Amino acid sequence: EVQLVESGGGLVQPGRSLRLSCAASGFTFDDYAMHWVRQAPGKGLEWVSGISWNSGSIGYADSVKGRFTISRDNAKNSLYLQMNSLRAEDTALYYCAKDQGETVAGDFDYWGQGTLVTVSS
Amino acid sequence: QPVLTQPPSASASLGASVTLTCTLSSGYSNYKVDWYQQRPGKGPRFVMRVGTGGIVGSKGDGIPDRFSVLGSGLNRYLTIKNIQEEDESDYHCGADHGSGSNFVVVFGGGTKLTVL
Repeated sequence: EVQLVESGGGLVQPGRSLRLSCAASGFTFDDYAMHWVRQAPGKGLEWVSGISWNSGSIGYADSVKGRFTISRDNAKNSLYLQMNSLRAEDTALYYCAKDQGETVAGDFDYWGQGTLVTVSS
Repeated sequence: QPVLTQPPSASASLGASVTLTCTLSSGYSNYKVDWYQQRPGKGPRFVMRVGTGGIVGSKGDGIPDRFSVLGSGLNRYLTIKNIQEEDESDYHCGADHGSGSNFVVVFGGGTKLTVL
């Protein structure tokens, strides 16, 4: 059974940093691209970032480019999102999502339950 | 990159059928769209991908046969037949654009389906 478990969310002040993690199991992690997608309270989905199976291809939404960094550790079956210079508008539930292929293709066949990030003073 | 437009709400009676629409912006009629179901308080769940020729690939795990898709012009449709209480959810459509460092995924605003 595919499982994606996010962690690392919490309350953080504007301008500070936070690192999210996603622990994957139930599939061969290094065969697939992975993504972060967020959802602000009461709002729709917003893609944040994606990374190919070997970290050779990485993309970011314009809203986070230069502030967020996606990475993965295939030996630990884990995906990460380093979030710097956080803003109030980054407040959202952050989902880890598995791609259906090894390259970033954007068709997410499995999602986690999310970890909540709240940016507030 | 494309813009995806979805009506904010839809409703249907138990046992009836409903068709949800996701409309691509002009110039993107050849794009495929993914449909996702999000039940209250849960993470999204992949339903299926649709292009102008219909379903692309396979349905998501556990998606019943009552769910089907069609594509025409700029519109991508998700039809649910014999609606059940558990179908009450937010339905999101998404599409990818570009490649490499220019890759993005865009989502519509989502449609909240209410089962009457």
